[in-house]
Amino acid sequence: DGGITQSPKYLFRKEGQNVTLSCEQNLNHDAMYWYRQDPGQGLRLIYYSQIVNDFQKGDIAEGYSVSREKKESFPLTVTSAQKNPTAFYLCASSTLQMTGTGGLNSGNTIYFGEGSWLTVV
Amino acid sequence: ILNVEQSPQSLHVQEGDSTNFTCSFPSSNFYALHWYRWETAKSPEALFVMTLNGDEKKKGRISATLNTKEGYSYLYIKGSQPEDSATYLCHSGTYKYIFGTGTRLKVLA
Repeated sequence: DGGITQSPKYLFRKEGQNVTLSCEQNLNHDAMYWYRQDPGQGLRLIYYSQIVNDFQKGDIAEGYSVSREKKESFPLTVTSAQKNPTAFYLCASSTLQMTGTGGLNSGNTIYFGEGSWLTVV
Repeated sequence: ILNVEQSPQSLHVQEGDSTNFTCSFPSSNFYALHWYRWETAKSPEALFVMTLNGDEKKKGRISATLNTKEGYSYLYIKGSQPEDSATYLCHSGTYKYIFGTGTRLKVLA
C-alpha cells in the first residue's frame, strides 16, 4: 500500500545527543515536509524539500537538519542545539505544484505519516 | 491576519447536535484552503480542498464553505456522532503550508 512511514514511533534522547527521525514515502511525491506539534499549538513547519538534494528552512528550523538524497526519503536530525526538542513530529509529502513565479503553493493535498514522539530524558 | 487561526480551540457537543467552527486566513494572495481531520494516534486525513470564493464542499454529514474575500472558512458537522471526535485542522498559504492550531471536537454519547 502507498503511504508515508515514520520511525521510530517513540524515541528518548539524552541531553546533548543528536537523534534522527526517519521518513520514507512510496507515493512518488516530489515534496516532503517536517512539522512539529507542541501541546496546545498547531503544526509548525521545520523544513521542506521540493526536489532531491534541495531543501528549505521552515519557521522553526534552528536546531534541526535534514537531507534529501533520495526522492523517497527525508530524514530529520534533531541536534543537541535544539533547546526544547520534546514534541510530536509529523512528516508529510505532496505532489509538487508551482506558482507562476516558481514558488511552491498550497494547492495540493498533503499526506501525513503517523508521527514520532520524541522525549528528552 | 498574519497566520491561520481556528476557533474555538476545543468544543464539546452532545451526540446528535450540529456544530460548526471557523478557520480564518490571510485573504491576500490566497490560493487554496484545506481541511483535515486528525484522530488521536492516527495521521491527519484530508477532508476538503477549496479554491474559489463561495465554494461549498460536502462529504456525508460534514460540509465546508469558503469566503476568500473576507478570509474565512466554516466547517459544519450535522448530527454529530462520537466517531466525529477528532481535531480538525485547516491550512492555507501561498508558499508555505501554514496550519491553524486546530479545533478539538469531543462528541459526548
